[in-house]
Amino acid sequence: GAGVSQTPSNKVTEKGKYVELRCDPISGHTALYWYRQSLGQGPEFLIYFQGTGAADDSGLPNDRFFAVRPEGSVSTLKIQRTERGDSAVYLCASSPGTGGGDTQYFGPGTRLTVL
Amino acid sequence: AQKITQTQPGMFVQEKEAVTLDCTYDTSDPSYGLFWYKQPSSGEMIFLIYQGSYDQQNATEGRYSLNFQKARKSANLVISASQLGDSAMYFCAMREMGMTGANSKLTFGKGITLSVRP
Repeated sequence: GAGVSQTPSNKVTEKGKYVELRCDPISGHTALYWYRQSLGQGPEFLIYFQGTGAADDSGLPNDRFFAVRPEGSVSTLKIQRTERGDSAVYLCASSPGTGGGDTQYFGPGTRLTVL
Repeated sequence: AQKITQTQPGMFVQEKEAVTLDCTYDTSDPSYGLFWYKQPSSGEMIFLIYQGSYDQQNATEGRYSLNFQKARKSANLVISASQLGDSAMYFCAMREMGMTGANSKLTFGKGITLSVRP
């Protein structure tokens, strides 16, 4: 079946602009995660959705970052007033949401560059 | 304190040989899961193997096995019969289940670069 998809694959924007990154999870997966990966580092957690609600948003760095999942499927990560430090690869993952060995499957990521 | 430590900066292995990638972790949660992911140069994170903290036996998935030593808090990945396509970054990650055993985030290490030589 289809894996996790993310669009766009690349996004170049100017400092101060608003961007939206989209994630389409594996069909039937109730849990959805956003991570951010800087060059040479492991992914860092941003936010986790169980269904439509954000179950854990403790990783969002500040109030410029916001994410939604209105129908419990597709999610959008929104970044306002982008800064050069926001440049990174933004990874989305989904999982069946059944606990225990519940495995997160990742999308290809969106590479965000803020000039 | 770092929850996941991967200290090997880069590893080299000859094709068809076995290699061990080290991972140590730190948690006070009695219920947790340990994962290994592979990230080739294309950038996608590929799930390799999972070990639960209560699992009695070490996990195996094809050429991948996890050497789980709970008392030492280590979860090393062993790749047998290395192939050229195994060249990639490898990340160890942990999920702490908490009291409810509910889903939660993964905490990743910094990763290890593996290069397989022909």
